[in-house]
Amino acid sequence: GAVVSQHPSRVICKSGTSVKIECRSLDFQATTMFWYRQFPKQSLMLMATSNEGSKATYEQGVEKDKFLINHASLTLSTLTVTSAHPEDSSFYICSARGGDSNQPQHFGDGTRLSIL
Amino acid sequence: AQTVTQSQPEMSVQEAETVTLSCTYDTSENNYYLFWYKQPPSRQMILVIRQEAYKQQNATENRFSVNFQKAAKSFSLKISDSQLGDTAMYFCAFMKTNTGKLIFGQGTTLQVKP
Repeated sequence: GAVVSQHPSRVICKSGTSVKIECRSLDFQATTMFWYRQFPKQSLMLMATSNEGSKATYEQGVEKDKFLINHASLTLSTLTVTSAHPEDSSFYICSARGGDSNQPQHFGDGTRLSIL
Repeated sequence: AQTVTQSQPEMSVQEAETVTLSCTYDTSENNYYLFWYKQPPSRQMILVIRQEAYKQQNATENRFSVNFQKAAKSFSLKISDSQLGDTAMYFCAFMKTNTGKLIFGQGTTLQVKP
């Protein structure tokens, strides 16, 4: 149980393109989803927290107009990197949590984004 | 603000031996959770073990156990009978109760050698 699917696993696109990444909880209702960014051999940095039906809460230093997050249902959250540039190239990971805030997070397999 | 520190960027261990990964954290909170996550080369994040701060007993999951020292704010992970499949990056993480937000340490890359 507690499977989180993230799609796509790999994206390569040209600078200026907008890219959408999906995060789905397959067998549970995710009241909260989290989006992280990870540079090579570094830690996961939380970008934003999204609760179903409400606006995402962004961490300090994360541009909300650059990284659009939508959590329209209890099983799906999307991250859109708008007008992506090479510096946005990174590994993006989502996680999902059901129930109260003390429940564990379940992670997707991540998306490797490469902007040329 | 809470911080999590893993002071060992890289470690190695021979197969079947025991290794301990260190983690310290800083918080003024009394109620929180601590985690160890494993990230193998596939980059999937896998929960290894979880500890509630109010529990004095150290958590154990098969070959994985922790040494939780609340007063010292230390949370080390011991891997017994190391296996080749244990090769991965290990992250220590802190979560304040009722926030759900994980704060990760820098990670320790563990190499298990045959």
